[in-house]
Amino acid sequence: GDSVTQMEGPVTLSEEAFLTINCTYTATGYPSLFWYVQYPGEGLQLLLKATKADDKGSNKGFEATYRKETTSFHLEKGSVQVSDSAVYFCALSEGEETSGSRLTFGEGTQLTVNP
Amino acid sequence: GAGVSQSPRYKVTKRGQDVALRCDPISGHVSLYWYRQALGQGPEFLTYFNYEAQQDKSGLPNDRFSAERPEGSISTLTIQRTEQRDSAMYRCASSANPVAVRFRGYTFGSGTRLTVV
Repeated sequence: GDSVTQMEGPVTLSEEAFLTINCTYTATGYPSLFWYVQYPGEGLQLLLKATKADDKGSNKGFEATYRKETTSFHLEKGSVQVSDSAVYFCALSEGEETSGSRLTFGEGTQLTVNP
Repeated sequence: GAGVSQSPRYKVTKRGQDVALRCDPISGHVSLYWYRQALGQGPEFLTYFNYEAQQDKSGLPNDRFSAERPEGSISTLTIQRTEQRDSAMYRCASSANPVAVRFRGYTFGSGTRLTVV
């Protein structure tokens, strides 16, 4: 079955540091890939997505590239801010025909950015 | 509505009681999903609906859990004879249609935090 593996947290960085959160996946077909973010006290929000190999999703300074050859979708940001402190979830969807449009999530990575 | 609305935000119940969690999806959204998220874990799929039809309930952990969406809009997740292991955040999400999921993902509600004491 489908699965998503994220790097273990928590991750603690200083402001303006470079961020990478690793995500690898297992899927039977050609999934779409997503990063969701959960800020303290809030619900899950879609951060960015990519629907096919070599696509780059980007939003709010975050980027992730769909790498089919390494089955990865690592999240990066060049200069983090305190306001980026949150839990980040990698997820995939194989689409309605394969998995009934469900999203499969990783376990989440807690990021704390200190001033 | 403008977003996915879940109620109540918090629910504390005694072991053995039944609870009903409500989800009001974005107006016009065909697909509705229920997930459960334990502390420190990612969301786990429970069940989903297209319109009023329950398409997949394979994620429901046992027969104490059930869900319905009788008019294709508001959905209720019911847990009977609650146990302490049922304590978790229960999240609802909706999508314009099932095909849109792989292009846009879901829109999630804020969740219901269930605590069984």
